[in-house]
Order: sequence, then C-alpha cells, then structure tokens
Amino acid sequence: EAAVTQSPRNKVAVTGGKVTLSCNQTNNHNNMYWYRQDTGHGLRLIHYSYGAGSTEKGDIPDGYKASRPSQENFSLILELATPSQTSVYFCASGDAGTGGYEQYFGPGTRLTVL
Amino acid sequence: GDSVTQTEGPVTVSESESLIINCTYSATSIAYPNLFWYVRYPGEGLQLLLKVITAGQKGSSRGFEATYNKETTSFHLQKASVQESDSAVYYCALGDRGSFNKLTFGAGTRLAVCP
Repeated sequence: EAAVTQSPRNKVAVTGGKVTLSCNQTNNHNNMYWYRQDTGHGLRLIHYSYGAGSTEKGDIPDGYKASRPSQENFSLILELATPSQTSVYFCASGDAGTGGYEQYFGPGTRLTVL
Repeated sequence: GDSVTQTEGPVTVSESESLIINCTYSATSIAYPNLFWYVRYPGEGLQLLLKVITAGQKGSSRGFEATYNKETTSFHLQKASVQESDSAVYYCALGDRGSFNKLTFGAGTRLAVCP
C-alpha cells in the first residue's frame, strides 16, 4: 500500500481563507518535503523537515507555513490563500540512512484558490 | 543558484527508436551533488527511475541509462529502443546530500511513443 499519502486530493478554497494540506508517511523517514508544481516548472521546494518538531524554509516559502508534529505527519498551511497559490502540491519523504538519498512522493493535492 | 535544464517537450518518437533526453545542471552551492531521473506515468504518481550519487558512474533501470558527467555537468537519459509504455513525463533532479537531500527539479519532458 502507498507509503506517502496526502489529503485532501482536491481542494477548492476562497481567497483569504485558510488551507491546510496534510501528508502522512509510513516509511519511518526522518526527512519530509513539500513541493508545488506549476505548468512550465518542475517541482519547487516550499518547506522541508528533518524530524518531528523541525521545519525549514525551502526555495519558495513565502505565503506558506509548515508543521511537523510527529515523524509520520507533515502539514502545509496557507494562512491567507491567494489565487497565485493555485497549483498541485506534492509531499515526499526521504532518508539518507537508506543510502539512497532518493525521495518518495505522494499522489499530489490539486488546490484551486478562487 | 542551483538549477536543472532539460530537453523541452513534448518529444515524440516511434516505437523501437532510440531516445535521448538531455539534462544539464548547475550545482553552485552543492559540494556533492546526487543526480536522479524521476518519471510520472499517466494516472500515476512521481516515482524514481534511476539515480547516481558518484560522478563518473552510470545508473540504469527498465532499459534506461544515464551517466553522471561532472566535466560537462550533464546527466542525459538514454534508451536504445523505446516502447509505447514508456510514454510519460520525465524529470531530471539534482540532490543536495549535504542539506537533507533537497531536490532541484528540471521542468520535465513529456515523451510520447507512437506505435
């Protein structure tokens, strides 16, 4: 079964509203990541975490917060959603301890901000 | 900054033809880059196709190959004979081993293989 899951899979929000995207992993990986993907761009890193209680800014953190309350869960929070945040969001987990350095991705959440 | 540039799609090839998708990278802030190819098949999630973490080495999977060339800063994806089932979007990615394995992705190349 899928080791990285995301919820919701689709979300429509209103401008100025709060949106929380959730991610759960059963890989027991230390590192988790949030990316967004837009047409013409690859995935771009928003926030990441190296363990429970930690969050770090990625390349495009403005307008987003993150929360890592446990090893398994990593949330992305849009306090005041804007139409420019309409995108597909991917969560991933990874751990250098496996020696592979690769990341394992969830199925994505399609967010539309009206 | 760090960046990845890959062949702009869509790329269309006929079944049994050879394929090369170019990927070049710039790793200005990464001391020990790792290189990856990820793939997204229609209706599926993003998955690892192959990886190389040591310069000069070659990775291979499902008939695809890519060599980590530090001199030319390239990691081109090649396959000698493509199949219709290879139709997908391919992403080249640069990993930062020294910074929690953060990934920098290229824009993706959509491949369509015609029967």
